[in-house]
Amino acid sequence: AQSVSQHNHHVILSEAASLELGCNYSYGGTVNLFWYVQYPGQHLQLLLKYFSGDPLVKGIKGFEAEFIKSKFSFNLRKPSVQWSDTAEYFCAASLSGGYNKLIFGAGTRLAVHP
Amino acid sequence: DTGVSQNPRHKITKRGQNVTFRCDPISEHNRLYWYRQTLGQGPEFLTYFQNEAQLEKSRLLSDRFSAERPKGSFSTLEIQRTEQGDSAMYLCASSLETGELFFGEGSRLTVL
Repeated sequence: AQSVSQHNHHVILSEAASLELGCNYSYGGTVNLFWYVQYPGQHLQLLLKYFSGDPLVKGIKGFEAEFIKSKFSFNLRKPSVQWSDTAEYFCAASLSGGYNKLIFGAGTRLAVHP
Repeated sequence: DTGVSQNPRHKITKRGQNVTFRCDPISEHNRLYWYRQTLGQGPEFLTYFQNEAQLEKSRLLSDRFSAERPKGSFSTLEIQRTEQGDSAMYLCASSLETGELFFGEGSRLTVL
């Protein structure tokens, strides 16, 4: 069965700390990979996406993610977090060539303290 | 605002009542999706439309749930005979064929 798992449910960091959120997927086929962010009281927004090509993708607000096919992973990173990064982060996957049906992980709630 | 619009934003109802949510996608998007999100979980896929055709329904969508997308524009999600377990955030998203889903702010259902 298709699934996406996120390792950390809650992460607490101080400003300027580095961030890495883990994501693994299980799919029978080529996948497209996404990270979405949900700020308090707001809708889900796309941070970045990977379809093909360079496995290191850069997104908005200084976020990046690396696709490692051999590890079925798509971890999200940011070298220095800010208080405004406090949000919930969701990893998602869809089958390449399909109709974009996303399967989401359970999410990671990040709290950044000043 | 030209994003995905959902209403009502919050619905409180008594068990056994029917509720309907509406989603207006981004106008040029032919693909529309409904998801459900409960506390502490990621969004779970419910159903997918391409234009007016409903092409997939999740097993989560019991026979009390029905979704429509007449004329391939807005969509409605109706829940009949609501149960407390239906309490959740119902999310709508739309996309072109290129893969990125744009989400609305959701409709929160509370069943008392």
